[in-house]
This record gives sequence, structure tokens and C-alpha cells, in this order.
Amino acid sequence: AQTVTQSQPEMSVQEAETVTLSCTYDTSESDYYLFWYKQPPSRQMILVIRQEAYKQQNATENRFSVNFQKAAKSFSLKISDSQLGDAAMYFCAILTGGGNKLTFGTGTQLKVEL
Amino acid sequence: DGGITQSPKYLFRKEGQNVTLSCEQNLNHDAMYWYRQDPGQGLRLIYYSQIVNDFQKGDIAEGYSVSREKKESFPLTVTSAQKNPTAFYLCASSIGQPGTEAFFGQGTRLTVV
Repeated sequence: AQTVTQSQPEMSVQEAETVTLSCTYDTSESDYYLFWYKQPPSRQMILVIRQEAYKQQNATENRFSVNFQKAAKSFSLKISDSQLGDAAMYFCAILTGGGNKLTFGTGTQLKVEL
Repeated sequence: DGGITQSPKYLFRKEGQNVTLSCEQNLNHDAMYWYRQDPGQGLRLIYYSQIVNDFQKGDIAEGYSVSREKKESFPLTVTSAQKNPTAFYLCASSIGQPGTEAFFGQGTRLTVV
């Protein structure tokens, strides 16, 4: 079985500043993928960024980047130049089982302040 | 436009009644999923299906049933055996290949009174 842990229920950041959301995971599989999803107040789930476990290079998507530490089973999300539109619930997730099972963490509510 | 449609957006049912939540996709995706979202618990997998006429239980399948008679449809029935059915339900689909992202519908809020 796989688990995903997000230890920060809530985080706050000032507009234009940088914030890092933490995520740790556990799996016995060697082949897996990691994701960060964003859920704004509309509750529509939106993919933010994806990381393949076999790749050492950290994924980057515009203002969003990850710090993937495979040995530590850590997958944190860094948001640079935070914007009001970044305010949302962020979920970390792991995809295992040959692409069969997507397991989510409990989420981090991010608030962006002026 | 391609996407996933969940209906209805809000659903109210009396305790003891079965209720079916609809999920339709026109993305030609092979895999479909149902998740339940409760405050403080993230998304928990109820059932998933990789191909038509086949599906597997997720982590919290008790009290739920599904069918996958057509590629584009994956309805979820919340039965009277589900002890705490009030929740937000999300349907998702993906190509089904390793590493591919899941696309989500806009969800159904089920309230049982």
C-alpha cells in the first residue's frame, strides 16, 4: 500500500513571496509518479506539476517547482512570486500500480495575503 | 469541448435510499475513478476501472457499487449500506498509461438527511 502525508493543514504567504508546501510519501514500488494538484474554491481539481520517480531532475512549471528527494521520499512544492489566484487547497498524490491507483494526501490550504 | 461531466452538482436523499451519481467523459479515456472528499481527509479512492466491464475496489468501497458498461460512463451508486454517505464525490479519468494525469469532473455534493 502507498501513503501520502501532508503535515501542514494550512499555510500563509504574502503576495509576491515564496512558499514551500511539504509532502512525504511511502511506497514499496520502484516505478511511480508524483503529482501536485490544486483545488480552488470552485472545487475543480487542476494539475499543477508532475514528477517521474526515475528522473533525478526536479520538475518545473513556470512559478511552480518541486524538490524531489527520492531517498527521503519527500516531494515538496515551491511557489515563487505568489499571486492571489494561487490561494487554494493543494494536494500531493502518488500514482502506482502501473498507473492504476492515484493516492492523495490530506491537503494543505494555502492563503495568499496582500 | 472534451471533458468530464458529473451530475447533478447537488443531490439530497433521505436516509435508507440508494442514489446514483452520474459521470460521463468524452475524452476517450480508458481509466475512470471515483473519489470521496471529506474535510481533513483528502481524497479517498472508492472504485476504479481500467477497461469496460472491469473495475476494482479502492480503499473505501464498502457501501458503494459501480458499473462500466460503456467506455464513457462510470456511474456510482451509494447504497443504504454506506453508513456516512454525506460527502463531496469526484469522478476522474485518465488515458490509463503509467504517469498520465487524471482529469477531474466538478464533483457532486451528496447530502443525506
